[in-house]
Amino acid sequence: DAGVTQSPTHLIKTRGQQVTLRCSPKSGHDTVSWYQQALGQGPQFIFQYYEEEERQRGNFPDRFSGHQFPNYSSELNVNALLLGDSALYLCASSPYPGLPYEQYFGPGTRLTVT
Amino acid sequence: EDQVTQSPEALRLQEGESSSLNCSYTVSGLRGLFWYRQDPGKGPEFLFTLYSAGEEKEKERLKATLTKKESFLHITAPKPEDSATYLCAVQAGWGKLQFGAGTQVVVTP
Repeated sequence: DAGVTQSPTHLIKTRGQQVTLRCSPKSGHDTVSWYQQALGQGPQFIFQYYEEEERQRGNFPDRFSGHQFPNYSSELNVNALLLGDSALYLCASSPYPGLPYEQYFGPGTRLTVT
Repeated sequence: EDQVTQSPEALRLQEGESSSLNCSYTVSGLRGLFWYRQDPGKGPEFLFTLYSAGEEKEKERLKATLTKKESFLHITAPKPEDSATYLCAVQAGWGKLQFGAGTQVVVTP
């Protein structure tokens, strides 16, 4: 049973560019959440997708957007990259978000903005 | 606003030296408290879910407990392979997890 997968593993971008990160949830899960983790900090919630709609959003600017596809996979897009966007981006999946099920995390994408 | 505070920030233990990590939280309507383990450069690995005060969960050398204001993760007779950052998170509403900054644990032989 494949767990949560993310691609790419690492990415280097230049300030002002745009980036797309991808996530496939664990089998049987239909909810995908995205988190940003800066070095030495805990993950910060970006947003959550369920039934192809953004259901909840954290304190992140509109430069951060996402999408969920019919097969439950998801993309995170970040426009106009800033140096401060350098972080580990984590995708987590779970069953129906209305109940406190545990979220399973992927290995993350390390984004470096230069 | 929901808050999660973990202490200590770092912990250095000798192999076999038991200790406890603390997670204190302020949240309106706790639905679940989660413990994760994270190795450097990797995604968090799920350990436990606790739902109500008084609940306890165990897995190998780890035991998690929950009160109305805090949770403890007890590490009994740790081994070097228990070295990791341990993260605590709370869920109050629809799916969002609020994480603490974590406790970095190093276990030396």
